[in-house]
Amino acid sequence: GAVVSQHPSWVICKSGTSVKIECRSLDFQATTMFWYRQFPKQSLMLMATSNEGSKATYEQGVEKDKFLINHASLTLSTLTVTSAHPEDSSFYICSARAGGSLAGEEEVTDTQYFGPGTRLTVL
Amino acid sequence: QKEVEQNSGPLSVPEGAIASLNCTYSDRGSQSFFWYRQYSGKSPELIMFIYSNGDKEDGRFTAQLNKASQYVSLLIRDSQPSDSATYLCAVRAGGSYIPTFGRGTSLIVHP
Repeated sequence: GAVVSQHPSWVICKSGTSVKIECRSLDFQATTMFWYRQFPKQSLMLMATSNEGSKATYEQGVEKDKFLINHASLTLSTLTVTSAHPEDSSFYICSARAGGSLAGEEEVTDTQYFGPGTRLTVL
Repeated sequence: QKEVEQNSGPLSVPEGAIASLNCTYSDRGSQSFFWYRQYSGKSPELIMFIYSNGDKEDGRFTAQLNKASQYVSLLIRDSQPSDSATYLCAVRAGGSYIPTFGRGTSLIVHP
């Protein structure tokens, strides 16, 4: 199956610093990558969707200047949490899909695969 | 607004029993339906997907889809304690790459 990695798996930082999280698709080219955040015992919250070579599309309420997303290649997307504060502490998960523009059978079976997540703690 | 509803649980079943997890959705244009399993502190992992009405079986797992009733379910046969996790239902509309996730159902399989 498709494998997605994330680095680091956990990070602890001081308030005011910036943290970069990498998401890589290891055995496929990811046309689209998604970034989610999950607080304890809560559901996944989609933060943004990024397509290779273009600007990310942020969900309503997500500050694009605080959460910088770069999808520079078909196998790598990065999320940078700028000037992190304790309320940014959360579990950040990326996912990736392989398909481009699809139709018919390919469209309905198009699947996204999750990375293992990065646990961020801001002191 | 697209909604995906799941009972948060916990659903508690004895080992060896069948666990039945349910999900309803509001968007009649939905085409693809996914079940993910998420262990505590881990990221979701795909169990299976379904897009045609009826049943789809994969090992101990069976997904059931009824588009007329806007309902998708996941059955886990011969439940094991290792199946204890939160199960997320995700629904995706035609022409969209972005699924909508439910809040998940917590399943506890007790020995």
